[in-house]
Amino acid sequence: GAGVSQSPSNKVTEKGKDVELRCDPISGHTALYWYRQSLGQGLEFLIYFQGNSAPDKSGLPSDRFSAERTGGSVSTLTIQRTQQEDSAVYLCASRPYTLATEAFFGQGTRLTVV
Amino acid sequence: KNQVEQSPQSLIILEGKNCTLQCNYTVSPFSNLRWYKQDTGRGPVSLTIMTFSENTKSNGRYTATLDADTKQSSLHITASQLSDSASYICVVTLNSGNTPLVFGKGTRLSVIA
Repeated sequence: GAGVSQSPSNKVTEKGKDVELRCDPISGHTALYWYRQSLGQGLEFLIYFQGNSAPDKSGLPSDRFSAERTGGSVSTLTIQRTQQEDSAVYLCASRPYTLATEAFFGQGTRLTVV
Repeated sequence: KNQVEQSPQSLIILEGKNCTLQCNYTVSPFSNLRWYKQDTGRGPVSLTIMTFSENTKSNGRYTATLDADTKQSSLHITASQLSDSASYICVVTLNSGNTPLVFGKGTRLSVIA
């Protein structure tokens, strides 16, 4: 498709389970970001992929969070042993490397941990 | 520390009225600043971009200003409509290729009839 695609759009999981969230960026975009948005809060940076460079993982809140980007395209964010405080909307964005261009966001995955 | 602060946190206005949202940043080195609109349940969408040399830019009823000296930006919405109800997020890009965008927490605007 033409935009950033995220799946699933909604996910309800039990506390302690693992979840995987998927992001398909815009074709050709080399930069990919994961953000988290808790209810009523701003966007919290999680991780950043840029081409073949080592990802910037400085925003991951704990070692339960990890992300991969295979073949420079699709990315998967994995949360292990989910906790209730992990409940949030997880947004993925991609952009071309050029600094002046905008980031294009997916619709997000709403994760609810019960 | 690179930060982007937005005010007010939330705002309620009557349909047809104007409003101004503020963004202050301490990001350096600055590349550009974008205002995004985020409708409920959707991802943010860019409204306008401001680079270092630009002071004012309009996009329909939206006008953004930038003062690079004081590191302040504003987004003015004219003749507000119910569909303007959304979160407005200020995002600054650093002038470096491997640094994430720096987001403000957003202003939640509600336009009521």
